Amino acid sequence: AQSVTQLDSHVSVSEGTPVLLRCNYSSSYSPSLFWYVQHPNKGLQLLLKYTSAATLVKGINGFEAEFKKSETSFHLTKPSAHMSDAAEYFCVVSANTGTASKLTFGTGTRLQVTL
Amino acid sequence: DTEVTQTPKHLVMGMTNKKSLKCEQHMGHRAMYWYKQKAKKPPELMFVYSYEKLSINESVPSRFSPECPNSSLLNLHLHALQPEDSALYLCASSPNWGGDTDTQYFGPGTRLTVL
Repeated sequence: AQSVTQLDSHVSVSEGTPVLLRCNYSSSYSPSLFWYVQHPNKGLQLLLKYTSAATLVKGINGFEAEFKKSETSFHLTKPSAHMSDAAEYFCVVSANTGTASKLTFGTGTRLQVTL
Repeated sequence: DTEVTQTPKHLVMGMTNKKSLKCEQHMGHRAMYWYKQKAKKPPELMFVYSYEKLSINESVPSRFSPECPNSSLLNLHLHALQPEDSALYLCASSPNWGGDTDTQYFGPGTRLTVL
């Protein structure tokens, strides 16, 4: 079975400082990993995905994540936080059931950005 | 275009009412999903349709009844709901190419309140 663990339930940064949201995964084979963002009372938006093509994945809005097999990690980073980045972030692993994909979500990290 | 639309945005219903949620995508995706999300929690999978056939039912109570009339449309029929069913209901779709890299795209959700 596959799983993801988000190591921080809440992260607070100042605007203009770097963002680091941590995610560890567990999988018996090379996983497909995603980061989604959810702004208050909104649906989930795909930030980026890792599918074994490259270990450093660039996403939208300046976010990127690095797949590290040796550390079983897929941390999300951004060099400089903006106020608009305040949201809930989910690390997700995908598995194919034979008929469709099935996502396993982490518990989420709430990012707070202060002035 | 990676848009999934959901109507209505908000729904308030009594426990004896019958209502329906609607989800639509025009990306040619062949898998569609219903999720339920409670406050401060990750989404929980309810149903998966693959090529217009129900492929996964995550032991959802029968007061929730999904329907997939065609490849672009997914409905969720609601009847005799309980107050604890109040939540954000999210629809998603994916190309369903097979494999773990299938990416799900989410709609904005319907905020359901059961009185």
